[in-house]
Amino acid sequence: QQQVKQSPQSLIVQKGGISIINCAYENTAFDYFPWYQQFPGKGPALLIAIRPDVSEKKEGRFTISFNKSAKQFSLHIMDSQPGDSATYFCAAHTSNTGKLIFGQGTTLQVKP
Amino acid sequence: DTAVSQTPKYLVTQMGNDKSIKCEQNLGHDTMYWYKQDSKKFLKIMFSYNNKELIINETVPNRFSPKSPDKAHLNLHINSLELGDSAVYFCASSQVAGINQPQHFGDGTRLSIL
Repeated sequence: QQQVKQSPQSLIVQKGGISIINCAYENTAFDYFPWYQQFPGKGPALLIAIRPDVSEKKEGRFTISFNKSAKQFSLHIMDSQPGDSATYFCAAHTSNTGKLIFGQGTTLQVKP
Repeated sequence: DTAVSQTPKYLVTQMGNDKSIKCEQNLGHDTMYWYKQDSKKFLKIMFSYNNKELIINETVPNRFSPKSPDKAHLNLHINSLELGDSAVYFCASSQVAGINQPQHFGDGTRLSIL
């Protein structure tokens, strides 16, 4: 019940295309859903986050769509660029435990 | 100025040795964390400290002992290193524990056991 399932494991997109990464969870106690971006040799960095009382959040080319009833959320990267090539992690947080549970990660490659 | 800094960046050592990884944050945060990232890039929390007090202790072998001398530092000491300890260890910090605060990660320490 503490798991966050992320798909796909890897994704190849052409420059200018839309990258979509999906996550699903079971624990309804999760109350905060961040996405992290990790480049090789670096630590994960917060990209965008959403709370479950919001269905969509957009920051620049990055959008989170959140479906509370389905317990699913996704990251959309519009106009994908080669510089977006990285590993993306969804995560879920519970205030009662203070834990951040990560998905398995998606390696995104944007081809020029 | 690096917000969360870890040393060393690389650590190569023999099985059975004892080693430490240091972490410092200059963000003024109250809470610090240790994560382990395995060869498949899966990130899992190990420990969390809030203002020098242990608040999260996942199912981690007791060969791993975190120590927080003050709220800006969280070190990780590992005794009797095993092959399975090979991984990248990340330190992170957040402003407050238990509230939806973003976690800021260091760049990791890659531990390789020979």
